[in-house]
Amino acid sequence: AQKVTQAQTEISVVEKEDVTLDCVYETRDTTYYLFWYKQPPSGELVFLIRRNSFDEQNEISGRYSWNFQKSTSSFNFTITASQVVDSAVYFCALSEQQRTNTGNQFYFGTGTSLTVIP
Amino acid sequence: DTEVTQTPKHLVMGMTNKKSLKCEQHMGHRAMYWYKQKAKKPPELMFVYSYEKLSINESVPSRFSPECPNSSLLNLHLHALQPEDSALYLCASSQGVNLQNPRALHFGNGTRLTVT
Repeated sequence: AQKVTQAQTEISVVEKEDVTLDCVYETRDTTYYLFWYKQPPSGELVFLIRRNSFDEQNEISGRYSWNFQKSTSSFNFTITASQVVDSAVYFCALSEQQRTNTGNQFYFGTGTSLTVIP
Repeated sequence: DTEVTQTPKHLVMGMTNKKSLKCEQHMGHRAMYWYKQKAKKPPELMFVYSYEKLSINESVPSRFSPECPNSSLLNLHLHALQPEDSALYLCASSQGVNLQNPRALHFGNGTRLTVT
């Protein structure tokens, strides 16, 4: 079963519009961590945010904000006043606690491709 | 600039060639990862090294052979690849393998591999 679902495959917005990228996850653990990554056309995955399951406070960083709702298992990402440089593929990821010393597993969603039109 | 450096950026190889991808990080991270990413897909985990020991191999074919010479370096040796192995290969590192508190993966720019 898919642990992280990003239902929006592609989104296009006009510059300065706000846009929300959805992420729904599935886990049986009570302690887990959620991440968002940005992948511009250059290819590198850029870490944006890490949130643990005990911290439901929403976070804002400049034009970026994240809304964590445990009740709906969602961790949505909003870009306010979008810019052309925001055009990229955005991945949501989940990491659960591991029971053996094999390294933390990261489960990525399928990504949302955002295009900001000037 | 990324703190995880991958070389080469692009690689074209024939199916009979042997080549290696290299990855280096100097952040003191003790976990290093190889991911494979096809176009319009999420990264797929291939291997995890924890304290320079291979800890996860996601049933990767033996034509891919990882190596971790030391805590800063990670190699991926390639031999007898198939055209379907063409992809972006991403290296990542993370701060230890604290099972209770997974830290973010830090990715390199990747190597775009084309197998002809």
